[in-house]
Amino acid sequence: NAGVTQTPKFQVLKTGQSMTLQCAQDMNHEYMSWYRQDPGMGLRLIHYSVGAGITDQGEVPNGYNVSRSTTEDFPLRLLSAAPSQTSVYFCASSRGLARNEQFFGPGTRLTVL
Amino acid sequence: DQQVKQNSPSLSVQEGRISILNCDYTNSMFDYFLWYKKYPAEGPTFLISISSIKDKNEDGRFTVFLNKSAKHLSLHIVPSQPGDSAVYFCAASFPLWEAGGTSYGKLTFGQGTILTVHP
Repeated sequence: NAGVTQTPKFQVLKTGQSMTLQCAQDMNHEYMSWYRQDPGMGLRLIHYSVGAGITDQGEVPNGYNVSRSTTEDFPLRLLSAAPSQTSVYFCASSRGLARNEQFFGPGTRLTVL
Repeated sequence: DQQVKQNSPSLSVQEGRISILNCDYTNSMFDYFLWYKKYPAEGPTFLISISSIKDKNEDGRFTVFLNKSAKHLSLHIVPSQPGDSAVYFCAASFPLWEAGGTSYGKLTFGQGTILTVHP
């Protein structure tokens, strides 16, 4: 089992560019989520999904889109990158519910210039 | 509004002594609490959890205490080891029936506390 994988590990974007952060899990988990980690702010939920075809917004969804076409994949799209989106992004998955043990990917460090 | 707060950004402890990490929450609706540990350049990993119907949960060297009246939980690590040096996040979850049954136990995280255990 690879667990939760994320690509890329690092990315630098210019303001206004778009990109997709990839996330995949091979544990057949229903629940997947995206968080961003900023200094002094902890982990904040961006979007989450409770199964293929079902997504919903978290605490800080503005500027991000998600889709869940398969159980395994949950990509996060930045539509028009802004410096405020400079952060470390983590994807996570769990069996059933968010309050069950979540398995996190290694993170993507994004810098927007 | 930060509903889950870890007011100590850092904690330094000697190897073999007890580490106590604290977490406060403001919303009395939270009914499940978790601790995650994070090493640099890695994703967080689950450590221990506690339901609001309990006031203590133990797992080896790790014990979580919950004081509902004070809206406070703490993580005790005894004895502390240098390998415990990491960032520790507490997290809280609403009941599953909250928001019409669609909360799915979404987590609200604290800011994190950096624990350094010195040899």
